Amino acid sequence: GEDVEQSLFLSVREGDSSVINCTYTDSSSTYLYWYKQEPGAGLQLLTYIFSNMDMKQDQRLTVLLNKKDKHLSLRIADTQTGDSAIYFCAEIFNAGNNRKLIWGLGTSLAVNP
Amino acid sequence: DTEVTQTPKHLVMGMTNKKSLKCEQHMGHRAMYWYKQKAKKPPELMFVYSYEKLSINESVPSRFSPECPNSSLLNLHLHALQPEDSALYLCASSYRPNARYEQYFGPGTRLTVT
Repeated sequence: GEDVEQSLFLSVREGDSSVINCTYTDSSSTYLYWYKQEPGAGLQLLTYIFSNMDMKQDQRLTVLLNKKDKHLSLRIADTQTGDSAIYFCAEIFNAGNNRKLIWGLGTSLAVNP
Repeated sequence: DTEVTQTPKHLVMGMTNKKSLKCEQHMGHRAMYWYKQKAKKPPELMFVYSYEKLSINESVPSRFSPECPNSSLLNLHLHALQPEDSALYLCASSYRPNARYEQYFGPGTRLTVT
């Protein structure tokens, strides 16, 4: 079946860059998303990228997409303690007449002062 | 108004109780979703409403009963739940049902079944 994989943990020092990686299997995915979830909170859409793009930048966030390798990454520049959260990668999966989000297991980012 | 609100924030219920979770958005979104999320796991889709009609039911047990009274409101009625149903229940909405449109999530209701 369709699958999205992420590494489960990442630890960085405050001020460093963080890179969270994701691989997906559905080559027909048109949109790929990054969501952030802080402890005890709901999910916040961080950014998304359309499949015809290689890169998207939004302030401290840079998304890179390698369609050939089905690899997506999220780079957070100048990582702050407030960036500590779980980051979920998600892709669109076409299921008949419906489209659903397929989620990775999430990468838990710990930012150390 | 760009948020999805959910009430209550926390709920503790016994296995014989009947309770309801509520979700509201005023963004003019015509797709609304219920997800269940266990700790440190991704959300699991339960139901999708498209233009106030149920379009996806991910084989959810009948003790969970969704309702969409109008385009702004979404309810989840709970009855005879089991302890393993304890989880964070998230509501989301998107402009249209097509998953190309990003989903906006509420803060969730943390449910504990005793």
